[in-house]
Amino acid sequence: GAVVSQHPSRVICKSGTSVKIECRSLDFQATTMFWYRQFPKQSLMLMATSNEGSKATYEQGVEKDKFLINHASLTLSTLTVTSAHPEDSSFYICSARGQMGTGETQYFGPGTRLLVL
Amino acid sequence: AQSVTQLDSQVPVFEEAPVELRCNYSSSVSVYLFWYVQYPNQGLQLLLKYLSGSTLVKGINGFEAEFNKSQTSFHLRKPSVHISDTAEYFCAVSGRFSGGYNKLIFGAGTRLAVHP
Repeated sequence: GAVVSQHPSRVICKSGTSVKIECRSLDFQATTMFWYRQFPKQSLMLMATSNEGSKATYEQGVEKDKFLINHASLTLSTLTVTSAHPEDSSFYICSARGQMGTGETQYFGPGTRLLVL
Repeated sequence: AQSVTQLDSQVPVFEEAPVELRCNYSSSVSVYLFWYVQYPNQGLQLLLKYLSGSTLVKGINGFEAEFNKSQTSFHLRKPSVHISDTAEYFCAVSGRFSGGYNKLIFGAGTRLAVHP
């Protein structure tokens, strides 16, 4: 149980285009989802937290107009990188937390590697 | 606010040797503690967690960790490592708040390299 998927696993796009990354909880309802960014050989940086049906809460320094987060259902959250630029290239990881009797545990997706040319 | 310090950025060890990965935290409130493992180009997999109860926590793949409140530590141990344990290991903490978002705060990570 507690499986989180991400799609796509890898994406290459041109500068100026938008990219959407999906995060799904496959076998539980995720009341809260989190989006992280990870640079090579570094730890995870929390970008934003979202609860189903409400606006995401962004961490300081994260541009909410650039990184659009939608958490429309209890099993799906999306991150859209708008007008992507090479500096947005990174590894993006989502996680989900739900009411499974282990409400404090986050389960992570496999990550999405974004390369902006 | 919480913070996590992983004292070793890299730990080289020979196969079948024991290993300890150190993690210390600071917090003004009670905490939940986690260890995650990340293999190359993959997401994070939960190894084990401390929420309450016994301070010695056993996880997957033969790993265990002990919560030491007085020393604010949560060190990860394995008595005999395998080549396949080579990965990045992250310690994480979240505050015990009722409701709210309870953000996970990660340490910088420790690279465990197991050599034959």
